[in-house]
Amino acid sequence: DIQMTQSHSTLSASVGDRVIITCRASQSIGDWLAWYQQKPGKAPKLLIYKASSLESGVPSRFSGSGSGTEFTLTISSLQPDDFATYYCQQYNSYLLTFGGGTKVEMK
Amino acid sequence: QVQLVQSGAEVKKPGSSVKVSCKASGGSFSSYAITWVRQAPGQGLEWMGGIIPIFGTADYAQKFQGRVTITADESKRTAYMELSSLRSEDTAMYYCARSGIEAAATNRYWLDPWGQGTLVTVSS
Repeated sequence: DIQMTQSHSTLSASVGDRVIITCRASQSIGDWLAWYQQKPGKAPKLLIYKASSLESGVPSRFSGSGSGTEFTLTISSLQPDDFATYYCQQYNSYLLTFGGGTKVEMK
Repeated sequence: QVQLVQSGAEVKKPGSSVKVSCKASGGSFSSYAITWVRQAPGQGLEWMGGIIPIFGTADYAQKFQGRVTITADESKRTAYMELSSLRSEDTAMYYCARSGIEAAATNRYWLDPWGQGTLVTVSS
């Protein structure tokens, strides 16, 4: 199975900060990567697919980049609604796998 | 707009089985994959397996092989996940999610939308 690693389990940031969340794959997955946001008690919500494609309705402050094994999710200016946990997910293989999650908390 | 509605919370005894349903309304059903993802309390997301209803066969994560069965009823637009030999570590929120594109044409897909989740508690 392809392992997905998010190097930071927690990131502390303030409103207005630029936040960068990283995700690494154990082998090359091309650009077959998605990012999700999850708030407590809620189902995950798709933000980005195919590494950099913004899902309809998602604010433009969210962006994704990367290919191969290294990926990033960037929030250009953190808003109060963005404090949440973010997960990457690879779909290069039909055996889907998720990263461990990065919680963005208030500094 | 596709919506996935899951069955209600369950409390089960160790050693028993649970079957969770996921009904799709709106949009297409048969050629999109329905996957199951679980989340233990305070933990991350874990893919369990998925099915493309038009094909009828399911794929499973190795961790759950032999213990999980995923099926789909096209006439009811409903997918099911049955987990057997339950133990306390299976206490979790179980989500269904649909592939973001027609999985019948590709085995590469992201997940959108998601169901609301079904809490399964395993306790004696």
